[in-house]
Amino acid sequence: QLQLQESGPGLMKPSETLSLICTVSGGSISSSDFYWGWIRQPPGKGLEWIGSVYYIGDTYYSESLKSRVTISVDTSKNHFSLRLSSLTAADTAVYYCARINRGCYDPLDIWGQGTLVIVSS
Amino acid sequence: EFVLTQSPGTLSLSPGARATLSCRAGQTVNAGYLAWYQQKPGQAPRLLIHSVSRRATGIPDRFSGTGSGTDFTLTISRLEPEDFAVYYCQQYDNSRWTFGQGTKVEIK
Repeated sequence: QLQLQESGPGLMKPSETLSLICTVSGGSISSSDFYWGWIRQPPGKGLEWIGSVYYIGDTYYSESLKSRVTISVDTSKNHFSLRLSSLTAADTAVYYCARINRGCYDPLDIWGQGTLVIVSS
Repeated sequence: EFVLTQSPGTLSLSPGARATLSCRAGQTVNAGYLAWYQQKPGQAPRLLIHSVSRRATGIPDRFSGTGSGTDFTLTISRLEPEDFAVYYCQQYDNSRWTFGQGTKVEIK
């Protein structure tokens, strides 16, 4: 059964660059049937899509974050990554990675457990 | 920018009641590209409904989705104790994914 696991630092300082990795296990990231995405959720608030990547490296970003976001895929390691620069307190959130199923109108059908990132000086 | 507006913000109902959640889009949703998720405290969201009306694997048939164009509905026919949670709608358009702000279903 496919599983996703986020990893990365839990505490960052303002102006720093966040780097998170989502490791895919139980299946291959190199499938034409899926995108892979990052989503975040500030404490007590709703879900925000950050961006998505296809296994050949095509990327898609939220308009509101695209100037600060880079998403990449490493098929040799079966993982994909998120970089978010110029952090502020507003970037404090639980960050989720998810699989997006192209076979049924692109829902996010498998999610990681999420990782809390706090931005504080 | 694609906007999804969910209503009501909070729904207070008793177990066994019927829940009707609304998701309205600011523009027409491409046919099929509407999904619903359930999220419980401290957990990741879980896909309930995709393609407007198709239940995800393992989702009980008390959950159903309907709608087209700009108006979509998630119905829970009889609330079970485990159904009290926050529900989000989500659409896909032009390589962008958008979520609604959520509806909390709480115990009355």
